[in-house]
Amino acid sequence: GENVEQHPSTLSVQEGDSAVIKCTYSDSASNYFPWYKQELGKRPQLIIDIRSNVGEKKDQRIAVTLNKTAKHFSLHITETQPEDSAVYFCAASGGGNGGSQGNLIFGKGTKLSVKP
Amino acid sequence: ETGVTQSPTHLIKTRGQQVTLRCSSQSGHNTVSWYQQALGQGPQFIFQYYREEENGRGNFPPRFSGLQFPNYSSELNVNALELDDSALYLCASSWGEGLEQFFGPGTRLTVL
Repeated sequence: GENVEQHPSTLSVQEGDSAVIKCTYSDSASNYFPWYKQELGKRPQLIIDIRSNVGEKKDQRIAVTLNKTAKHFSLHITETQPEDSAVYFCAASGGGNGGSQGNLIFGKGTKLSVKP
Repeated sequence: ETGVTQSPTHLIKTRGQQVTLRCSSQSGHNTVSWYQQALGQGPQFIFQYYREEENGRGNFPPRFSGLQFPNYSSELNVNALELDDSALYLCASSWGEGLEQFFGPGTRLTVL
């Protein structure tokens, strides 16, 4: 079945620096790739997503890139702030093999720490 | 616009018992997906309900079952609880067959 690998598992940056988190997926039928931010004890919050017909999408300080050929996608956060500290999860939509497209397969998460 | 809500917030059960968790979808959404999130892990897909029918299932045994009601709210039932069922159970609502999903706050289940 679909597998999503996420790296790194922890990331520490200075305030103002950029942070990059990378994910790879295995199912070429996946066509939707969201990113979620989860603060301690809170729900995962959708922060940005990208579909397979787009190579890049940007929303203020956050951008996501997708390389369908290589089956990898990345989250870029610029000008990081202490409030960006959280666990970030990438996900890929379930593809074929009987799974619904609404089946999101998540990576194991990246704990981002932004030091003031 | 009303967000996704879940009840209860926390629950403690003993091994072998049964539990029912509830989810109300965000207004305007007709699809509910359920996920299990173990400590330190990403959410794992259990199943999705669309138009009151199961629309996809992850790698979970049949003792995990669900329902969706005409108002699009949903229940997750787990029978014969095992210690490994201890986790945060998240539901997410969406429109149609559910790519853009919004999560509820979760129910923390502890099995002793």
